[in-house]
Amino acid sequence: EAGVTQFPSHSVIEKGQTVTLRCDPISGHDNLYWYRRVMGKEIKFLLHFVKESKQDESGMPNNRFLAERTGGTYSTLKVQPAELEDSGVYFCASSPNFRGGASGANVLTFGAGSRLTVL
Amino acid sequence: QKEVEQNSGPLSVPEGAIASLNCTYSDRVSQSFFWYRQYSGKSPELIMSIYSNGDKEDGRFTAQLNKASQYVSLLIRDSQPSDSATYLCAVGFTGGGNKLTFGTGTQLKVEL
Repeated sequence: EAGVTQFPSHSVIEKGQTVTLRCDPISGHDNLYWYRRVMGKEIKFLLHFVKESKQDESGMPNNRFLAERTGGTYSTLKVQPAELEDSGVYFCASSPNFRGGASGANVLTFGAGSRLTVL
Repeated sequence: QKEVEQNSGPLSVPEGAIASLNCTYSDRVSQSFFWYRQYSGKSPELIMSIYSNGDKEDGRFTAQLNKASQYVSLLIRDSQPSDSATYLCAVGFTGGGNKLTFGTGTQLKVEL
């Protein structure tokens, strides 16, 4: 089974430019999450899709970030315009549907991340 | 105040010893607890999940949860050089939807 795939692995852009990160979740996983790790800090939640719907976007920093998941398959995260503080590693994760109860809930499989460097 | 706290390390242990990694979390009703292992430049990999008080063992790994004291720990027995990585503690809080709150991670070094 293929894991969670993210592209690009590393992107270097200048302040003010636009970058689009892509995530392909594990096939059949309805839940897709974006997280971000800024250097020296913990991994932080950005948002959660269930199929194509945004379930929780409480972690999105501001309106320069736009996430989409058309058709409920892959997802993109666009940063426009990028700022210096957007630099970090953006992780995507996916999980299957909950089957009830705590067991199995929130068991996320992560991708390797997309490292974004804004100069 | 951070919601999930870990000592950043590095924690150095000799090969064959027991490595003990600790994590404390804030005073909120918590539901699920996870330990992820991350090698440099790689994806976080789930190694243990625990949902109720007590110990849970899986091979060389044992997770321990104490909700009254608000801590969760990970023991690695017979540590190997291949266990050298960053270990991330993650907590799912009740009312937090489906998102996880992570600690900053503890770097473990197993020395020959």
